[in-house]
Amino acid sequence: NAGVTQTPKFRVLKTGQSMTLLCAQDMNHEYMYWYRQDPGMGLRLIHYSVGEGTTAKGEVPDGYNVSRLKKQNFLLGLESAAPSQTSVYFCASSHEGARAEAFFGQGTRLTVV
Amino acid sequence: SQQGEEDPQALSIQEGENATMNCSYKTSINNLQWYRQNSGRGLVHLILIRSNEREKHSGRLRVTLDTSKKSSSLLITASRAADTASYFCATADGGSNYKLTFGKGTLLTVNP
Repeated sequence: NAGVTQTPKFRVLKTGQSMTLLCAQDMNHEYMYWYRQDPGMGLRLIHYSVGEGTTAKGEVPDGYNVSRLKKQNFLLGLESAAPSQTSVYFCASSHEGARAEAFFGQGTRLTVV
Repeated sequence: SQQGEEDPQALSIQEGENATMNCSYKTSINNLQWYRQNSGRGLVHLILIRSNEREKHSGRLRVTLDTSKKSSSLLITASRAADTASYFCATADGGSNYKLTFGKGTLLTVNP
């Protein structure tokens, strides 16, 4: 049972480049989340999804887009990367949203130069 | 904005001692959760306490919740070097069943 898997684990981008981070979960969870973690800032919610085909903005959505075309996958896109998006990105999923425990992936370390 | 705030930001203790971390939050909650993060890894769920509960235990962990003071504490008894990690509290805002909001964490170092 893999749980929550994020790809890639590391990536270096040049300013202005685009990329997509993939999150896959095999627990049949309805709820999925993307967070970013920066030193001294804790985890901040970027976007989330309450089911297949749905997405919603979190605390820091600017510069990111998401899609949930399949229940098991939640994609985070950066259309034009900026140095301010250098961060560690975590995906999480939950069976009952914020009413139950969340399962996290191992993170993607993204550097934008 | 972040709902929960952990205190202290960093804590260093000797193996065998108890470690206490606190979390304060601002608005009403449905539940409060504690997570652990080892360096360079994802977060791992430790314990969930609902708003109508006052205390919960799990192994060497004890969590209390005081909704009148909008605060929670996590106690780790008989700490081990392997407990070295960052600990985060997370809350589900009273008006939301979807969003889990995290604090900035407490970095616990347990010295052998």
